[in-house]
Amino acid sequence: QSVLTQPPSVSEAPRQRVTISCSGSSSNIGNNAVNWYQQLPGKAPKLLIYYDDILTSGVSDRFSGSRSGTSASLAISGLQSEDEADYYCTAWDDSLDAVLFGGGTKLTVL
Amino acid sequence: EVQLVESGGGLVQPGGSLRLSCAASGFTFSKYWMSWVRQVPGRGLEWVVNIKQDGSDTYYVDSVKGRFTISRDNAKNSLYLQMNSLRVEDTAVYYCAREVGWRAFDIWGQGTMVSVSS
Repeated sequence: QSVLTQPPSVSEAPRQRVTISCSGSSSNIGNNAVNWYQQLPGKAPKLLIYYDDILTSGVSDRFSGSRSGTSASLAISGLQSEDEADYYCTAWDDSLDAVLFGGGTKLTVL
Repeated sequence: EVQLVESGGGLVQPGGSLRLSCAASGFTFSKYWMSWVRQVPGRGLEWVVNIKQDGSDTYYVDSVKGRFTISRDNAKNSLYLQMNSLRVEDTAVYYCAREVGWRAFDIWGQGTMVSVSS
């Protein structure tokens, strides 16, 4: 069981907007930046968002991130079939002295 | 081209050892923290360990403390993971990754599979 909690799956229609949540605690998200990754089947993860809301160079601006309190979220607008993937949040945990990954969210574009 | 290439994975019996390597190219390896991240096939990602630029500081996930050792050779642009006392639950694809910002992993290798089974 991951300390960072994400919904196991989300789904939405093409061209719509979806958000993926990541819930933690004061020792991780509440005090440290959140990063977001996309993992396509059979591929290594790809950094999408770092420092909560900074878009990695070359990543579509349809992706955006935010953090508030002990939660963070990834939003994807104008959904496309190519966005179907697993998405993971991460944050450093001050109590564990470790990087935590969320359990991952599988996005299905209907 | 900025690249990380892992090697050294394979099949090992429980209690055995394995040493993974990660060759870096296309960037100044000595300027970056580096990490190992693993993934059980079909499951989520788990961070394992990282190491500071000069090797003077490391952090480990609790489940591998005392069994795994991370090291680096900046002259050879290489990262290593010595895995001892391997357990069935260590079976996973192991990725090396470059850290930027605050524990963000911007470059990943293709991964190397470690299977622990009798």
